[in-house]
Amino acid sequence: SAVISQKPSRDICQRGTSLTIQCQVDSQVTMMFWYRQQPGQSLTLIATANQGSEATYESGFVIDKFPISRPNLTFSTLTVSNMSPEDSSIYLCSVEGRGLRDEQFFGPGTRLTVL
Amino acid sequence: KNEVEQSPQNLTAQEGEFITINCSYSVGISALHWLQQHPGGGIVSLFMLSSGKKKHGRLIATINIQEKHSSLHITASHPRDSAVYICAVRRRGNEKLTFGTGTRLTIIP
Repeated sequence: SAVISQKPSRDICQRGTSLTIQCQVDSQVTMMFWYRQQPGQSLTLIATANQGSEATYESGFVIDKFPISRPNLTFSTLTVSNMSPEDSSIYLCSVEGRGLRDEQFFGPGTRLTVL
Repeated sequence: KNEVEQSPQNLTAQEGEFITINCSYSVGISALHWLQQHPGGGIVSLFMLSSGKKKHGRLIATINIQEKHSSLHITASHPRDSAVYICAVRRRGNEKLTFGTGTRLTIIP
């Protein structure tokens, strides 16, 4: 299995500011994903974080709004830029691969509230 | 129509009851996941299935590939089982997961 930590666990931010969320895994993984879960909704994939290259974004999500870094096989960051109240969600990091037998593991999530 | 449908959306039961949550999907899949999400937001992977049945403690997951249907069962339910249970499928040839909307389970002591 993989143990994933996320920082911060929660934050309350002002409109117009940016927040960077960190995801750390205890082992090297091939795939890292960032998801958003808006209140009362299921998970929506934002992007796949690729090591050494730009992230691959899903329809409706753009790099300017959600820049992602993945400097190595155990770490990634997601920035939520120029936040508005509509960005209030739980943001989850997820990993897969490299001996995890195609299972997908999720981090504890970051609960973001934008005022 | 969503590719992954769960039922029921909400379920309240007494402690000790046998619980069944259902998941139906409409696409060809390589695997199906059952996930548990507690109120804090974190998600735990319970099972990954591609055929048959798996058991872990009081939890049992089954899948019928021909009928495109999976069930999650909880025996001797306990208040700590209260959570949202999410079904997710991996489409064949695609590494991404498609999620159901979840079943909110509440177990009353």
